[in-house]
Amino acid sequence: EPEVTQTPSHQVTQMGQEVILRCVPISNHLYFYWYRQILGQKVEFLVSFYNNEISEKSEIFDDQFSVERPDGSNFTLKIRSTKLEDSAMYFCASMSGRTYEQYFGPGTRLTVT
Amino acid sequence: DAKTTQPTSMDCAEGRAANLPCNHSTISGNEYVYWYRQIHSQGPQYIIHGLKNNETNEMASLIITEDRKSSTLILPHATLRDTAVYYCIVSMDSSYKLIFGSGTRLLVRP
Repeated sequence: EPEVTQTPSHQVTQMGQEVILRCVPISNHLYFYWYRQILGQKVEFLVSFYNNEISEKSEIFDDQFSVERPDGSNFTLKIRSTKLEDSAMYFCASMSGRTYEQYFGPGTRLTVT
Repeated sequence: DAKTTQPTSMDCAEGRAANLPCNHSTISGNEYVYWYRQIHSQGPQYIIHGLKNNETNEMASLIITEDRKSSTLILPHATLRDTAVYYCIVSMDSSYKLIFGSGTRLLVRP
């Protein structure tokens, strides 16, 4: 069964460093998402991406964040200059658009020290 | 903010049906009701969704009241592996984004 994959599973970085979180969505899906979950808190929407552009972003998704679909298969989230409060699980999700259920990856745990 | 209200926690015995309620009294006519669950810290998992009619799939059944102001997710024969946080989400904007609330923590007892 096709699934969303994410790499790395765990990333440790120092404050101020750039990180890139990678996702491979399900191959024929057209809608892509990033969510995050700070330990013990709710899952929060960050950004949605469709037709090679951002379709919606939350207040969390400020100028420090960017997304790309560089090669038609990967979907990346970049945090330009990480802060301590960026420590969280980051989940990628994709959706076909023929049906409207989102499939989530296993997440990347980002720890900013 | 989430548009739904769910109990904080519930429990049921293994093998019995788990009935998880959700209130969504401000739902609009074109909004779907989605159910997802999150087992421990894994990625959320889609369970089922519906608009007006009751729905059933291999995982669960979804019962939506006639006025659409509430729904119930039914896991017909709960197993220990169904222990998770269950989220009821109302959504139908152009990006199809999901706004998660706090969900219901379901504990299935042996």
